[in-house]
Amino acid sequence: QKEVEQDPGPLSVPEGAIVSLNCTYSNSAFQYFMWYRQYSRKGPELLMYTYSSGNKEDGRFTAQVDKSSKYISLFIRDSQPSDSATYLCAMSSIQGAQKLVFGQGTRLTINP
Amino acid sequence: DTEVTQTPKHLVMGMTNKKSLKCEQHMGHRAMYWYKQKAKKPPELMFVYSYEKLSINESVPSRFSPECPNSSLLNLHLHALQPEDSALYLCASSSGQGRTYEQYFGPGTRLTVT
Repeated sequence: QKEVEQDPGPLSVPEGAIVSLNCTYSNSAFQYFMWYRQYSRKGPELLMYTYSSGNKEDGRFTAQVDKSSKYISLFIRDSQPSDSATYLCAMSSIQGAQKLVFGQGTRLTINP
Repeated sequence: DTEVTQTPKHLVMGMTNKKSLKCEQHMGHRAMYWYKQKAKKPPELMFVYSYEKLSINESVPSRFSPECPNSSLLNLHLHALQPEDSALYLCASSSGQGRTYEQYFGPGTRLTVT
């Protein structure tokens, strides 16, 4: 079993829809949770990070962490074609903060 | 500014060549990373430098040799690579204290080994 599980998709939704992306994990030591967006043939771009449990909002993006369920989510409201990319979740522990453990990435397409 | 730059953007090399990848950041970060990413896979950590010292080597073959000349620069020297080493090589950086999980990536160097 992988430490971090993420459905690779692909996921295709119409423009304006609310998108929900999710990861589950097995290592209870994880305390830092990140979401990266990667456009084709580009490097990953850090979208949001969260420490421990709770919600964090940044514009159209909301990150949620539920440590009791070992489940994290990224919601994208009013999705745009420019949001089409691969979304990677990543997480790390306090002791191993430099070593990010990535999910497989979900390939998302927003259709105009 | 959260920019990490990498050169070259593309590199084609034969199995007997020696080449180097370069990475630079001016964010004052004291941790720098090399990752390898194959198509449709997540990045895989190769090396970590903290305060210009190698702190993590993920059992990478010796044909990859990292170097950190100063706090802003990171090199990856390549020698006698194999075709399976073809991939996107990503550099990243993070603050050296307390926020090492907050890593910023460069655009990558797309390497093809022939």
